[in-house]
Amino acid sequence: QKEVEQDPGPLSVPEGAIVSLNCTYSNSAFQYFMWYRQYSRKGPELLMYTYSSGNKEDGRFTAQVDKSSKYISLFIRDSQPSDSATYLCAIGSSGSARQLTFGSGTQLTVLP
Amino acid sequence: IAGITQAPTSQILAAGRRMTLRCTQDMRHNAMYWYRQDLGLGLRLIHYSNTAGTTGKGEVPDGYSVSRANTDDFPLTLASAVPSQTSVYFCASSRAGVSTDTQYFGPGTRLTVL
Repeated sequence: QKEVEQDPGPLSVPEGAIVSLNCTYSNSAFQYFMWYRQYSRKGPELLMYTYSSGNKEDGRFTAQVDKSSKYISLFIRDSQPSDSATYLCAIGSSGSARQLTFGSGTQLTVLP
Repeated sequence: IAGITQAPTSQILAAGRRMTLRCTQDMRHNAMYWYRQDLGLGLRLIHYSNTAGTTGKGEVPDGYSVSRANTDDFPLTLASAVPSQTSVYFCASSRAGVSTDTQYFGPGTRLTVL
């Protein structure tokens, strides 16, 4: 079993839809939860970061963490064609960046 | 230069050849990383460096070597390339080598080993 599981998609939604992207993890030592966005043929860029259970909101994006279920989600409200990208969850433990584990990514297409 | 640059952008390489992927950052970050990205497997850490002069092994280090002679540069070398090393390689950097730091990624190098 992989330490971090992410539904690869692809996911296709109409413009304006609410998108839910999810990851599950197996190691309860994981403490830091991030979402990266990767446009086609580009490097990933950090979208959101949180370290506690609950919700964190940034504009149209909400990151949700449920440590008891080992489940994290990223919600995108009022999705736009410019949101079309691959979204990767990344989960870290202790303080070392070498212990950052990435999900395999979910490819999202928002249709105009 | 702004951020991280990688070279080459893409490369086709014969098996058995030696290849060095270059990575340069201008943010004066202490930590640098090399990842490979494969379909269905996500990003996997190859090697990392927390500061100039030090390096460490990541999840998939076999067949790769790195050096960190200065803060800005972190080349990745494939001593004798094999087809399984066909992948997209990303260099990244962060202010310090802790998981809470944002990692900034370069544009990637697409490598095909035949």
